[in-house]
Amino acid sequence: EAGVAQSPRYKIIEKRQSVAFWCNPISGHATLYWYQQILGQGPKLLIQFQNNGVVDDSQLPKDRFSAERLKGVDSTLKIQPAKLEDSAVYLCASSLGPGSWGGETQYFGPGTRLLVL
Amino acid sequence: KQEVTQIPAALSVPEGENLVLNCSFTDSAIYNLQWFRQDPGKGLTSLLLIQSSQREQTSGRLNASLDKSSGRSTLYIAASQPGDSATYLCAVRQGSSNTGKLIFGQGTTLQVKP
Repeated sequence: EAGVAQSPRYKIIEKRQSVAFWCNPISGHATLYWYQQILGQGPKLLIQFQNNGVVDDSQLPKDRFSAERLKGVDSTLKIQPAKLEDSAVYLCASSLGPGSWGGETQYFGPGTRLLVL
Repeated sequence: KQEVTQIPAALSVPEGENLVLNCSFTDSAIYNLQWFRQDPGKGLTSLLLIQSSQREQTSGRLNASLDKSSGRSTLYIAASQPGDSATYLCAVRQGSSNTGKLIFGQGTTLQVKP
């Protein structure tokens, strides 16, 4: 079974530029998560999708971050404009979703490492 | 607001030693607690999950305990090996169902020396 795929793996941009990350979850997983992990910290949930609807985006800085999950499969996370403090690893995870046995177990992708100069 | 703290931040031990990683959380209203492993450049892998009604879970050389009332969990690694070198993260799931948010600690980076 293929895991969660993310691209690109690394990205270097200058502040005020825009950047987009892509995630392809495990086939059949209804729930998709984007996390931000700053160096030396644990992951922080940015946004959670159930199919193509947003369940929780309370910690997403909506003035500069946006995310979508069209057709309830792949997802993109965008930052525009980027700030120095956005330097972090952006992790995508997916799970079967509520109603399934073990549906809360999250499977993580390798992450995209972003450096903002 | 839930806060999860892990101590120590880093740990270096010789191969073969038994060790304990600590995790504490401020709000005992959790659904479950998970321990994850994170290798450099890779995502997180779930190691153990303890439901709020359970006291411990075991998998191979790993044993995790949970004391919900005191807001503490420990991950015990027996007979450590160089392959155990990684960052270990604990996370609590908020609320009363399996749809709650995961709140992570900052992790303990473990180095096991041959």
